[in-house]
Amino acid sequence: QSVLTQPPSVSGAPGQRVTISCTGSSSNIGTGYDVHWYQQLPGKAPKLLIHVNSNRPSGVPDRFSGSKSGTSASLAITGLQAEDEADYYCQSYDNSLSGSWVFGGGTKLTVL
Amino acid sequence: QITLKESGPTLVKPTQTLTLTCTFSGFSLSTTGVGVGWIRQPPGKALEWLALIYWDGDKRYSPSLKSRLTIAKDTSKNQVVLTMTNMDPVDTATYYCTHTTRGQWPTETHFDYWGQGTLVTVSS
Repeated sequence: QSVLTQPPSVSGAPGQRVTISCTGSSSNIGTGYDVHWYQQLPGKAPKLLIHVNSNRPSGVPDRFSGSKSGTSASLAITGLQAEDEADYYCQSYDNSLSGSWVFGGGTKLTVL
Repeated sequence: QITLKESGPTLVKPTQTLTLTCTFSGFSLSTTGVGVGWIRQPPGKALEWLALIYWDGDKRYSPSLKSRLTIAKDTSKNQVVLTMTNMDPVDTATYYCTHTTRGQWPTETHFDYWGQGTLVTVSS
């Protein structure tokens, strides 16, 4: 059971917009800790997609955007492309116990 | 450019100690703010943060695994070593080495470069 909750799967047709939610609690996102997002293509290592809630690293298309509000965060992908089919993970910090960085359970995006 | 590569055994027996080495290039672990972390992923499952070491020697561990983990750096060799004791089949996973920068700690900590990962299987 992951500390951050993501839907197991989402899907969309090419060109559409999809969102992936990441729900936390008062010990992580709700405290104000930032959320970061990763994309993991099949058989590959994860790649940083969004950092500090809404910032895209160089080279990440502006079709990807992130937001945070309250105890949740969201990743939005517009103009869906076949190459976006991957697993997506959110990450934050949790201050329960002695503190640790935590990930969501991951969301499988299928491009129909 | 920044690259990281994990190395170590692909198969360990239950109760044994796992030692993984991360060899990196494109940055120095003596540079202020730089850190190297370890993250693992069991087959078909989610990512799990394990440990992190910073340029100044500060070490952080996952609370649930802290008693089994040790992270150390060799700045001259551009290497970070992770040891995990008392391995169990549930520890079967791909282990990733990552680069991070301290930023506004701990909230801004994220993992911006990843190694290719190394699959470790725990089985007798």
